[in-house]
Amino acid sequence: QVHLVQSGAEVRKPGASVRVSCKASGYTFTGYYLHWVRQAPGQGLEWMGWINPTSGGTNYAQKFQGRVTMTRDTSISTAYMELSRLTSDDTAVYYCARQGTLESFDYWGQGTLVAVSS
Amino acid sequence: QSALTQPASVSGSPGQSITISCTGTSSDVGSYNLVSWYQQHPGKAPKLMIYEGSKRPSGVSNRFSGSKSGNTASLTISGLQAEDEADYYCCAYAGSSTFIFGGGTKVTVL
Repeated sequence: QVHLVQSGAEVRKPGASVRVSCKASGYTFTGYYLHWVRQAPGQGLEWMGWINPTSGGTNYAQKFQGRVTMTRDTSISTAYMELSRLTSDDTAVYYCARQGTLESFDYWGQGTLVAVSS
Repeated sequence: QSALTQPASVSGSPGQSITISCTGTSSDVGSYNLVSWYQQHPGKAPKLMIYEGSKRPSGVSNRFSGSKSGNTASLTISGLQAEDEADYYCCAYAGSSTFIFGGGTKVTVL
């Protein structure tokens, strides 16, 4: 069965960077795009972007361009999302999600809390 | 790009039907039949309930159905059950390989 397992919670100071990992299992890692979605406390879901695990190609939401970098390591079926120049507004749970059938997200990681505080 | 518009809350009694709307623009909801819906219980990851506007993944109850008219997509839950109490989010393909979510709707079973 498909599993996406994310790295553990992180605490960072304003201005720092954070990298979250997402390890895939149960399917061919290079067969599906992986997306990143975040959710601030008590707020809704916000799409951040995707990575094509085969080519490494990416597409980021305009809001995060210049601050987010999505990468992958196909040898260990793992995707990464790095967000830089953190502010308190970046405090959120970050999810990775597999893009399954036509522009929908069929499997999700368990989420990673990133807290930004001085 | 603003979030898709959803009502903040919808409620219903057990056995009733409720409908959640999701209003976008002619650039997203109106342009593509690629709206998906997600259910999220507190502290849990979202779960796909509807894709391509009206299709249900395997294992999702047929009490959940989706539709679209113009720039507005809708999710209907029939035969409301206590376990349906959760937050629901719509998501639309917005062109140029980008996506946009709705603000979310809290469903309460009275």
